Amino acid sequence: AQSVAQPEDQVNVAEGNPLTVKCTYSVSGNPYLFWYVQYPNRGLQFLLKYITGDNLVKGSYGFEAEFNKSQTSFHLKKPSALVSDSALYFCAVRDVIFGNEKLTFGTGTRLTIIP
Amino acid sequence: NAGVTQTPKFQVLKTGQSMTLQCAQDMNHNSMYWYRQDPGMGLRLIYYSASEGTTDKGEVPNGYNVSRLNKREFSLRLESAAPSQTSVYFCASSEGAGGPYEQFFGPGTRLTVL
Repeated sequence: AQSVAQPEDQVNVAEGNPLTVKCTYSVSGNPYLFWYVQYPNRGLQFLLKYITGDNLVKGSYGFEAEFNKSQTSFHLKKPSALVSDSALYFCAVRDVIFGNEKLTFGTGTRLTIIP
Repeated sequence: NAGVTQTPKFQVLKTGQSMTLQCAQDMNHNSMYWYRQDPGMGLRLIYYSASEGTTDKGEVPNGYNVSRLNKREFSLRLESAAPSQTSVYFCASSEGAGGPYEQFFGPGTRLTVL
C-alpha cells in the first residue's frame, strides 16, 4: 500500500524566515503526492499536487513543494513565513484500489509562525 | 457554489444512541468520502463511494454504515454510538476515476459520545 510519513509533529519558524515541512513517501509505481492545510475548526484545503514533470511544484498562498525521487521526499516550502501560515499541514499520496481513487494522509505537522 | 456542506456541525450523543451525518456537494463530483480525524492519527478513511450507486469500506469502517443517496449526497450512520467514535468527521468529494484529482473537504462535524 502507498504511504506517507511526516517526521515532525511540530515546526516553529520565525516570521519572515523560510519554512520547510517535511514529507517522505513509500509507493509502488509513480507517486502522486498532495499537500493540504487545515486552519483551526475548518476542513482541509488543497495547496498543491505533484503528478509528473517539474520537480518544483507551485501552489496556493505562495507555497511550493520539492519532489525528490532519490530521497523519496516531497517537502513543502515557503521563502518567507507569515503568521497567518500557522496551521496544521497534511501530506497525502494517491492510491488506486480496484480502479477506485483514494488518498492516504500523513499524521500532520503543526506549523507555528512566531511573530 | 457552496462546495461540500455537512450537517450538523456539532453533536453530543450518549452511548448506544444512533445518528446520521449528512453530506452534500454541488460540484457534480463522482466520488465522495468519509474520514475521521483524531489527534496524532491524521485522517483515516471510513467509507467511500467511487460513483453513484457504489460504496466501499475504507481503513476504519467498523461501527459505521453509509448511503450514497444520489450523486450529490453521501450520509454516514452510527447505529449504536460508542465513546471510541468521539472524533471530528469530514466529508470530501472529488471528480473520481482518471485522476489524480484533489479532494474538496467539508467543514466537519465534531461528535462527542458520552
